[in-house]
Amino acid sequence: DTAVSQTPKYLVTQMGNDKSIKCEQNLGHDTMYWYKQDSKKFLKIMFSYNNKELIINETVPNRFSPKSPDKAHLNLHINSLELGDSAVYFCASSQDRTARETQYFGPGTRLLVL
Amino acid sequence: AQSVTQLGSHVSVSEGALVLLRCNYSSSVPPYLFWYVQYPNQGLQLLLKYTTGATLVKGINGFEAEFKKSETSFHLTKPSAHMSDAAEYFCAVSESVRSQGAQKLVFGQGTRLTINP
Repeated sequence: DTAVSQTPKYLVTQMGNDKSIKCEQNLGHDTMYWYKQDSKKFLKIMFSYNNKELIINETVPNRFSPKSPDKAHLNLHINSLELGDSAVYFCASSQDRTARETQYFGPGTRLLVL
Repeated sequence: AQSVTQLGSHVSVSEGALVLLRCNYSSSVPPYLFWYVQYPNQGLQLLLKYTTGATLVKGINGFEAEFKKSETSFHLTKPSAHMSDAAEYFCAVSESVRSQGAQKLVFGQGTRLTINP
């Protein structure tokens, strides 16, 4: 059983297109996250939701819009894709929002914008 | 804001040798510290974490790390490297986002570990 799953695993698209990445966790966790890993492997948080409520919104362009239909799912929609959006996007989840909780990561979605 | 520095973006050791990956953090409050491993084309997997209590933390695959408050360090070690340990290793500190009652992981830049046969 995959704890945190993401679809698609790979995404190749043209500049200007709109795309979505889906994330699901079957761990019963309350909190979910989106991280971006750039070409130098640097990881940075983008968003976090707790029980469908947005609780972290880092400095991310408005073209990125997360949506959490329920606490097991967190999707990421990206409008008007740009070359600089090429990266690996990781979804993660944790039991709750407290600092000591372990975050469990999905396998990543490798986005390439041409 | 908290930060994490991993000394050495690339570490190479021989199979059977000691592995030492360095991590220093800056934090004004007692930190929660994590080490994650990322194998090629995979997600991150938790190796170990420090929250409170014993400062020497044991993790999976024979890894351990010691929290040293006086040195603001959380170095990762393994006595004897195995070929399967080749991967990218990330140190992270958990930072509270007080205005939103949330926490986020702040990662170091990662250290690529190569094992020579």
